[in-house]
Amino acid sequence: GAVVSQHPSRVICKSGTSVKIECRSLDFQATTMFWYRQFPKQSLMLMATSNEGSKATYEQGVEKDKFLINHASLTLSTLTVTSAHPEDSSFYICSARGTDLNEQFFGPGTRLTVL
Amino acid sequence: GNSVTQMEGPVTLSEEAFLTINCTYTATGYPSLFWYVQYPGEGLQLLLKATKADDKGSNKGFEATYRKETTSFHLEKGSVQVSDSAVYFCALGSSYDYKLSFGAGTTVTVRA
Repeated sequence: GAVVSQHPSRVICKSGTSVKIECRSLDFQATTMFWYRQFPKQSLMLMATSNEGSKATYEQGVEKDKFLINHASLTLSTLTVTSAHPEDSSFYICSARGTDLNEQFFGPGTRLTVL
Repeated sequence: GNSVTQMEGPVTLSEEAFLTINCTYTATGYPSLFWYVQYPGEGLQLLLKATKADDKGSNKGFEATYRKETTSFHLEKGSVQVSDSAVYFCALGSSYDYKLSFGAGTTVTVRA
């Protein structure tokens, strides 16, 4: 149980285009999902907290207009990187929280490369 | 604010060696502590956790004890295998908003 999937696993796009990444909790309902960014050989940086049916809460320094988050259902959250640039290239990881508030289940991540 | 300081790597060991990865934290309130493991090309998997002082988390031969007096949560394994090669992250879960704060990660390579 407690499986989280992400799609796509890898995406390459041209500078200026938008990319949507999906995060799904496959076997449980997740009222809260989190989006992280991981730079090569570095730790995870929390970008935003996504609550079902409400606006996402962004961490300081994260541009909400650039990283659009939608959490339309209890099993799906999406992150859209708008007008992507090479500096947005990174590994994006989502996690979902179930009934145990202390535990997050992580997706396998999405590798974004912006040319 | 909350923060996690983790022993820097990389760490290279021979099979059956003893592994220790140090982790200390700064936090307000009563946080939960976690160790996550990330295998190459994959996402994070929860390895073990402890939710209160003196709790010991254990899994797959790994152990860590929540020490409030030293604000530490060191990870140990008595005999590592090649399959333990991965990046290990210490993390702290806030008792207020349950957000996770991660350490920098320690890359462990176990040689046969």
